[in-house]
Amino acid sequence: AQTVTQSQPEMSVQEAETVTLSCTYDTSESDYYLFWYKQPPSRQMILVIRQEAYKQQNATENRFSVNFQKAAKSFSLKISDSQLGDAAMYFCAYRSDSSGYSTLTFGKGTMLLVSP
Amino acid sequence: EAEVAQSPRYKITEKSQAVAFWCDPISGHATLYWYRQILGQGPELLVQFQDESVVDDSQLPKDRFSAERLKGVDSTLKIQPAELGDSAMYLCASSSQPGSPYEQYFGPGTRLTVT
Repeated sequence: AQTVTQSQPEMSVQEAETVTLSCTYDTSESDYYLFWYKQPPSRQMILVIRQEAYKQQNATENRFSVNFQKAAKSFSLKISDSQLGDAAMYFCAYRSDSSGYSTLTFGKGTMLLVSP
Repeated sequence: EAEVAQSPRYKITEKSQAVAFWCDPISGHATLYWYRQILGQGPELLVQFQDESVVDDSQLPKDRFSAERLKGVDSTLKIQPAELGDSAMYLCASSSQPGSPYEQYFGPGTRLTVT
């Protein structure tokens, strides 16, 4: 079974600065997807960024980028120019691409605090 | 922008009582998911529907939980009887198709407290 580990229960950053959230995963599969989801307080979870394992190029979405190290099974999220609205719980998630009905496996999350 | 709707947003119930949650996915989404999120942890899948059929309920405690999606649109998750350990956030999500490339859109969740 796949596992996803987020070793940072909480991270803090000041506005306009950069922060990196860590994620490692364990799998024996070669085809899969990795995701970062954001869950603001009392609001729905939204997808921040997605990485296909077969792609060597790291995904980027505006201020959000990932560092995908397939051999090391590491998938970190970098948030540049942090904003107050970035404060939320961030979840790393894994999904196999071997089955059309594969499920998302989430880590325990990292709470990001942003201070002015 | 279309969203996944869930109700109620909050529910307090006594143990041994029955409780039900409702989810209306984004229109046209064939795949619907129910997750349970215990405080301080990530969501865990309870059941996955493709149209009206269950395709994965391996983590659903079937002695007390049931889920249905009769017409392949909205869905209901029921717990009977509720136990203290069922206190959690119940999230519904939908996607246009199953499989990894298709984004899952999440609803706001139902926060259940069992006393």
